[in-house]
Amino acid sequence: EVQLVESGGGLVQPGGSLRLSCAASGFIFSNYWMTWVRQAPGKGLEWVAKIKQDGSEKYYVDSVKGRFTISRDNAKYSLYLQMSSLRAEDTAMYYCARDRIQLWSDWFDPWGQGTLVTVSS
Amino acid sequence: EIVLTQSPVTLSLSPGERATLSCRASQSVRSFLAWYQHKPGQAPRLLIYDASNRATGIPARFSGSGSGADFTLTISSLEPEDFAVYYCQQRSKWPLTFGGGTKVEIK
Repeated sequence: EVQLVESGGGLVQPGGSLRLSCAASGFIFSNYWMTWVRQAPGKGLEWVAKIKQDGSEKYYVDSVKGRFTISRDNAKYSLYLQMSSLRAEDTAMYYCARDRIQLWSDWFDPWGQGTLVTVSS
Repeated sequence: EIVLTQSPVTLSLSPGERATLSCRASQSVRSFLAWYQHKPGQAPRLLIYDASNRATGIPARFSGSGSGADFTLTISSLEPEDFAVYYCQQRSKWPLTFGGGTKVEIK
């Protein structure tokens, strides 16, 4: 069974840092682009970052550029999101998701169940 | 960025009824539109991609149509498990964007 499980969320003060992880199983992790998507409380979904199979290409939404870093460890079947200079508006459920197919897709299937990040003093 | 506007915000229907959800883009996205289902506490699920292709394992009661800037997700006969929030997403132009969602609730 293809599965994605996020971890690492929690309460952090404004200006602080947090590292999210996503553990993948049930597929060959190194064959797929991976993505982070977030959902602020009461809001819709927002694409955050995407990384190529070998980590050589990374893309970010403007609001997190320079503050967030997406990375992966293919040997550990793991995706990461290093978040720094956190702001209240970064408060959200963070989901990791896989591209639907091994080629670049930008359709996300499957998704994890998410990990909650709360930025508050 | 491309803005996706979903309507209605809430759709109140009974099991067995037909649901018609709309997604309108601020500019043409050609056929590069997907639909997702999201239930509380669960992972979002891809239903439809490239406007009209059902994802693996998605029942035939779900169908997508449209191109350019106007798209529709139709659920032909609502099952109890279909009550959820539905989002559209475009990949025509970066950044990738999602609509605000339509909640399908039990009437």
